[in-house]
Amino acid sequence: KAGVTQTPRYLIKTRGQQVTLSCSPISGHRSVSWYQQTPGQGLQFLFEYFSETQRNKGNFPGRFSGRQFSNSRSEMNVSTLELGDSALYLCASSTRGQGEEAFFGQGTRLTVV
Amino acid sequence: AQTVTQSQPEMSVQEAETVTLSCTYDTSESNYYLFWYKQPPSRQMILVIRQEAYKQQNATENRFSVNFQKAAKSFSLKISDSQLGDTAMYFCAFKGGETSGSRLTFGEGTQLTVNP
Repeated sequence: KAGVTQTPRYLIKTRGQQVTLSCSPISGHRSVSWYQQTPGQGLQFLFEYFSETQRNKGNFPGRFSGRQFSNSRSEMNVSTLELGDSALYLCASSTRGQGEEAFFGQGTRLTVV
Repeated sequence: AQTVTQSQPEMSVQEAETVTLSCTYDTSESNYYLFWYKQPPSRQMILVIRQEAYKQQNATENRFSVNFQKAAKSFSLKISDSQLGDTAMYFCAFKGGETSGSRLTFGEGTQLTVNP
């Protein structure tokens, strides 16, 4: 079956703009989590959505938000972009069962200039 | 809050040899799961192996095995017969109990290079 699909793969934005990233999970997976990966901070958890509800949230400012649709597809939005938001954003989907593997997409590389 | 520490930023090994990557973690939970993921240059995170904390037996997956020491909160990955395709960044990850949902806490990563 198809894997986790993230779009777009690359994005260049200007400071102050906003951006929306999309993630389509594996069919049947209702949990979608987002992570930010940077050389300095490593992999950091942003938030998790399950059944269209945010279930967990990491320590990020309110400029970072997300949502999940009834078909489990998820979007994350970053408003008022800062240079420090430049990162690889990874999406992971799972069934949310105990110990279940998270499947990752290839990420969206966001560059803020 | 859980923390995961990988103290080896970089490691290298010759093809066909064995290498061990270290990982320690800190948690107050009794029921949790530990994972090793690899991230090759393609950036795709791929699960290498997983361990349930309640299982005493160390997990193995072909050339990959772990040494899980629950009391010491240590979870190392051993790669036997290293192959060039094993070159990647390796991340140790922790997943807690019910309240954590699908949230993974990652270590800093270890860049492994397999030399011909």
